[in-house]
Amino acid sequence: EPEVTQTPSHQVTQMGQEVILRCVPISNHLYFYWYRQILGQKVEFLVSFYNNEISEKSEIFDDQFSVERPDGSNFTLKIRSTKLEDSAMYFCASSWSSSNQPQHFGDGTRLSIL
Amino acid sequence: QQQVKQSPQSLIVQKGGISIINCAYENTAFDYFPWYQQFPGKGPALLIAIRPDVSEKKEGRFTISFNKSAKQFSLHIMDSQPGDSATYFCAASLPSNSGYALNFGKGTSLLVTP
Repeated sequence: EPEVTQTPSHQVTQMGQEVILRCVPISNHLYFYWYRQILGQKVEFLVSFYNNEISEKSEIFDDQFSVERPDGSNFTLKIRSTKLEDSAMYFCASSWSSSNQPQHFGDGTRLSIL
Repeated sequence: QQQVKQSPQSLIVQKGGISIINCAYENTAFDYFPWYQQFPGKGPALLIAIRPDVSEKKEGRFTISFNKSAKQFSLHIMDSQPGDSATYFCAASLPSNSGYALNFGKGTSLLVTP
């Protein structure tokens, strides 16, 4: 079964540094998402991306965050200047349609900010 | 504002018993209600989903009951097994043509004892 792949599985970064989290969505999917989950808390929506542009973003997704689909297969989340509170699991998800078709999640990248 | 409220926070059920997890939502415009299952170290995986025009949906041992007037929906796991031990999240989303944000509940940690 096709799956969403995320790399790295764990990223440790110094506060203030830039970090890029990478995702390979399912190949025929057109809609892409990033979510985060702070340890022990619920999964929170960050951003959705369709047709090479952001379609929706949450309050969490401020100017420090950006997303990009640099080629036909990768989808990245960049955090420009990391803060301690950015420490969380970051999940990428994709769906082939926006008509409430299932979102398929990757296994996440654990981001630890020191 | 917490758009989806989930209870209980944790649940212990004996093998063969019925696990019941409840969610309530506030926004009557939500039109898609999935349940996700998450094992430690893994991303959320779609379990079952329902639209508001249906009052019940069953897939194997898993059933969603939906009460539109009460703005509540619940997950029933029949004949619960130790392998069902995981965290369960309900979610809800608005209709969209450009990708949809899942609003997750806080999760229920289910433990099924042998």
